[in-house]
Amino acid sequence: EGQLVVSGGGLVQPGGSLRLSCAASGFTFSSYWMNWVRQAPGKGLEWVANIKPDGREKKYVDSVKGRFTISRDNAKSSLYLQMNSLRAEDTAVYYCARDRGWFDPWGQGTLVTVSS
Amino acid sequence: EIVLTQSPGTLSLSPGERATLSCRASQSVSNSYLTWYQQKPGQAPRLLIYDASSRATGIPDRFSGSGSGTDFTLTISRLEPEDFAVYYCQQYGSSPQTFGQGTKVEIK
Repeated sequence: EGQLVVSGGGLVQPGGSLRLSCAASGFTFSSYWMNWVRQAPGKGLEWVANIKPDGREKKYVDSVKGRFTISRDNAKSSLYLQMNSLRAEDTAVYYCARDRGWFDPWGQGTLVTVSS
Repeated sequence: EIVLTQSPGTLSLSPGERATLSCRASQSVSNSYLTWYQQKPGQAPRLLIYDASSRATGIPDRFSGSGSGTDFTLTISRLEPEDFAVYYCQQYGSSPQTFGQGTKVEIK
């Protein structure tokens, strides 16, 4: 059914940048829309961005538009999230997830902490 | 954007009891494209139900989903110790897909 492994989180100062990666295995990565979803500490789930199988269509939640960029490399079965101009409110666990309408599977998540 | 409101916020029940969780949408969810996830502390969400009432692979039959339009329900027929967790609904009938705020099922 597939597996997703997320990496790249960490502590970054406000205004800084970070790039998250999501490595897919066990399914045909190039056939699926893919998503990033985040969860602030103690809060609910928030969809962040998604990308079409061929990478030509991308959508973002308003709060990250112009700061975050989703991309993919189908040859490497990998999804990315470039996060620039990070703010304290971007602090969250970031998950990647395969889109079948519903999200499944999910990666294990990586914590991004934006703090000075 | 469709807003999903889950109720109650917290459900305090004992093992063996029946749990009924509600997810209400601000407008009709197309094709009943609604899903339920379970999340335990420190873990990623886990798919339980998709298309409002279809159980995902490997999900026990004590979990069932129902509803259409704006009102959806997740029922856990008899709570097992491992079922105490937070449950989220999500709609994918309209863009952007949106999540409810979650219902915590805790041990009474």
